[in-house]
Amino acid sequence: AQTVTQSQPEMSVQEAETVTLSCTYDTSESDYYLFWYKQPPSRQMILVIRQEAYKQQNATENRFSVNFQKAAKSFSLKISDSQLGDAAMYFCAYRSAIHDNDMRFGAGTRLTVKP
Amino acid sequence: DAGVTQSPTHLIKTRGQQVTLRCSPKSGHDTVSWYQQALGQGPQFIFQYYEEEERQRGNFPDRFSGHQFPNYSSELNVNALLLGDSALYLCASRRTGVAEAFFGQGTRLTVV
Repeated sequence: AQTVTQSQPEMSVQEAETVTLSCTYDTSESDYYLFWYKQPPSRQMILVIRQEAYKQQNATENRFSVNFQKAAKSFSLKISDSQLGDAAMYFCAYRSAIHDNDMRFGAGTRLTVKP
Repeated sequence: DAGVTQSPTHLIKTRGQQVTLRCSPKSGHDTVSWYQQALGQGPQFIFQYYEEEERQRGNFPDRFSGHQFPNYSSELNVNALLLGDSALYLCASRRTGVAEAFFGQGTRLTVV
């Protein structure tokens, strides 16, 4: 079974600074997707960024980028120029692309942004 | 275009009762999944529906059941509620074969 591990329960960053959230996963599959979702106090999970395992190039979405290390099974999220609105729970998630299965989530990292 | 909508937003039930939660997927989406998110934890997969059939199921007892209608909307039913069923229940929809899923705002269920 696939597992997703987020080893940082809480992280803090100063406004305008950069922060990196860590995620590792375990799988025997070769084709899969990885995601970072943001969950603010409003509760709705919002997709931040997605990475296909077959792509070597790291995904980027504006201030958000990932460092995808397939061999190490590592998938970290970097947030640049942090803003107060970035404060939220961040969840890393895995989904198989072979079986079209559903997502497996990590336990989450609570990000605080200090003004 | 409306996103994923869930109802109700909040619900309080008594131990032993039954509850039904509802989800309307985003337009064009045919796959609906349900997750349980306990306080301070990540979402746990309950089951997934596609073409009105349960296609995949997580590690949840038979007290948790579901249904998908021809218009792709879905219901989650929980029987014989336990205090431990108190959680945020999230619905996610996507188009089969597409990577990303979109979530509703969830239903906060409290069992007393």
